[in-house]
Amino acid sequence: QVQLVQSGSELKKPGASVKISCQASGYSFTYFSMHWVRQAPGQGLEWMGWINTNTGIPTYAQAFTGRFVFSLDTSVKTAYLQINNLKTEDTAVYYCARESTTGTTAADPWGQGTLVTVSS
Amino acid sequence: SYELTQPPSVSVSPGQTATITCSGEKLGDKYVSWYQQRPGHSPLMVIFQDEQRPSGIPERFSGSNSGSTATLTISGARTLDEAAYFCLAWDNDTAVFGRGTKLTVL
Repeated sequence: QVQLVQSGSELKKPGASVKISCQASGYSFTYFSMHWVRQAPGQGLEWMGWINTNTGIPTYAQAFTGRFVFSLDTSVKTAYLQINNLKTEDTAVYYCARESTTGTTAADPWGQGTLVTVSS
Repeated sequence: SYELTQPPSVSVSPGQTATITCSGEKLGDKYVSWYQQRPGHSPLMVIFQDEQRPSGIPERFSGSNSGSTATLTISGARTLDEAAYFCLAWDNDTAVFGRGTKLTVL
């Protein structure tokens, strides 16, 4: 079945970088774009942007330009989110979610989430 | 920037109908999807394209969208429906989530 499996929790210091992976299975990886979504502790969902898995072209939401980088390794059906110069306010669960087969306006399924904790 | 407004909380008794709204400018002109998130779990899509139900989602979940308000309706709510619900719409090639509604069923 279609599945997105994300890498494990990370504990980082301010100023460091982190790279989260999202490995897809059960479908043709390059057929559907991949969204990235952030959820700060006790807060709602925030769309970070998405990456076209066919062209590799990323699109970033306005609040996520500069320190955030989406990338791919299509040979292993994996999408990556790298966050540079981490700040304490980046502490959150990060989700990857596939563009839905029902159209680009929905996201389904979602990965299990990766908790990134930024603390000195 | 575009905003979607949801009530912070809705409470119903088991078997009652739960109605969760999502409001935004000219929202009826956009497709809305809805996501259920139980505590400690990833979001799950329960409605797409305003009113379509994915395979495996119970029939008690339904959606509508007109004017400036989209609505998620859970008919005969069950305790296992207790969760946060988020709406999602697109504006100018940007996806926007509502802040979420905590549904309590007790």
